[in-house]
Amino acid sequence: GQQLNQSPQSMFIQEGEDVSMNCTSSSIFNTWLWYKQDPGEGPVLLIALYKAGELTSNGRLTAQFGITRKDSFLNISASIPSDVGIYFCAGFHDKLIFGTGTRLQVFP
Amino acid sequence: EAEVAQSPRYKITEKSQAVAFWCDPISGHATLYWYRQILGQGPELLVQFQDESVVDDSQLPKDRFSAERLKGVDSTLKIQPAELGDSAMYLCASSMTSGSSYNEQFFGPGTRLTVL
Repeated sequence: GQQLNQSPQSMFIQEGEDVSMNCTSSSIFNTWLWYKQDPGEGPVLLIALYKAGELTSNGRLTAQFGITRKDSFLNISASIPSDVGIYFCAGFHDKLIFGTGTRLQVFP
Repeated sequence: EAEVAQSPRYKITEKSQAVAFWCDPISGHATLYWYRQILGQGPELLVQFQDESVVDDSQLPKDRFSAERLKGVDSTLKIQPAELGDSAMYLCASSMTSGSSYNEQFFGPGTRLTVL
């Protein structure tokens, strides 16, 4: 099935550092979403973006909907240990198409 | 807080056996989704229900997979016979409704299936 291209595949950072990840698609989407998945759990929605060019924040998280509607990025500022997990982007056009995921490890 | 419930959380079976997964969506949610998540990948939609009707089952391997939501509330996903390649996390999600605009989907904890 179709999966969006997400990078990097994994990140190992120190607590307090900023993190950036992005997602690209060959298709246009009406909505871009970012989810976090903890081990053994389902994804939880972090941020939803509804308009090309939109920049939205949720606490230490900031995400942007690309102008071309084919990409999005997520930034996490001042990372903390509980940020550990797998982050997925997803595009919506009648149904959700997920990215391949970015695994984040934060070391104290 | 309302949550999507799934059972069992873990299932180990031998190939060629039948398995079934159950999902109870958030009360009042008309739309129910089943996703499959292979290790190291993102979830992929298998089937979408609007009330008791199937809206999209284009990615459901119909030779061995079946899904039902008889009364438009809880749902069962069945695999018969299971194959080694079916080992994955099976996630259920629900939303208040569905359409051309995104309606927030809430995911359950999933059922981890291992086929030996």
